[in-house]
Amino acid sequence: EAGVAQSPRYKIIEKRQSVAFWCNPISGHATLYWYQQILGQGPKLLIQFQNNGVVDDSQLPKDRFSAERLKGVDSTLKIQPAKLEDSAVYLCASSLVRTGRTNEQFFGPGTRLTVL
Amino acid sequence: AQKVTQAQTEISVVEKEDVTLDCVYETRDTTYYLFWYKQPPSGELVFLIRRNSFDEQNEISGRYSWNFQKSTSSFNFTITASQVVDSAVYFCALSEAQGTGRRALTFGSGTRLQVQP
Repeated sequence: EAGVAQSPRYKIIEKRQSVAFWCNPISGHATLYWYQQILGQGPKLLIQFQNNGVVDDSQLPKDRFSAERLKGVDSTLKIQPAKLEDSAVYLCASSLVRTGRTNEQFFGPGTRLTVL
Repeated sequence: AQKVTQAQTEISVVEKEDVTLDCVYETRDTTYYLFWYKQPPSGELVFLIRRNSFDEQNEISGRYSWNFQKSTSSFNFTITASQVVDSAVYFCALSEAQGTGRRALTFGSGTRLQVQP
């Protein structure tokens, strides 16, 4: 079974530029998450989708970050404009949905963003 | 609000030593899930275990074992006879189990384990 795919794996941009990340979850996984992992810290949720609807975006800096999951499969995360503090690894994860259960999340390899 | 604390920033052991990684959590939920993930140098998070709040039975999987104590809000992870391949950052995480549908993980800051040959 294919895992969670992400691209690009690495991205270097200058501050104030825009950048987009792509995620393809495991087939059949209705729930998709984007996490931000700053060096030396644990991942922090940015946004959670269930199919193509947003469940939780309370920690997404909406003035510069946006995300969408059209058709309930692939997802893109965009930063516009980027700031130096956005340098981090952006992790995508997916999980099955089972009523009354919380299931393990499967993570992609991440996109390492460096903002200069 | 949920919180996970991993007080050990970095641990270094010699191969074949046993090592315990500590995890303390805070939550107001009566039902919740606890997880451990491994993040090797390659960067990908690897799922190790999920435990729900109703199941306090300790679990053993090969060289790995987990000790869940609800009374002290702890979920510690022990590696027996450590190997160099165990070198990684280990994260403890917490998730709610019902209600709003928010299943996002709250992670601790991680413990970097270095196993020396």
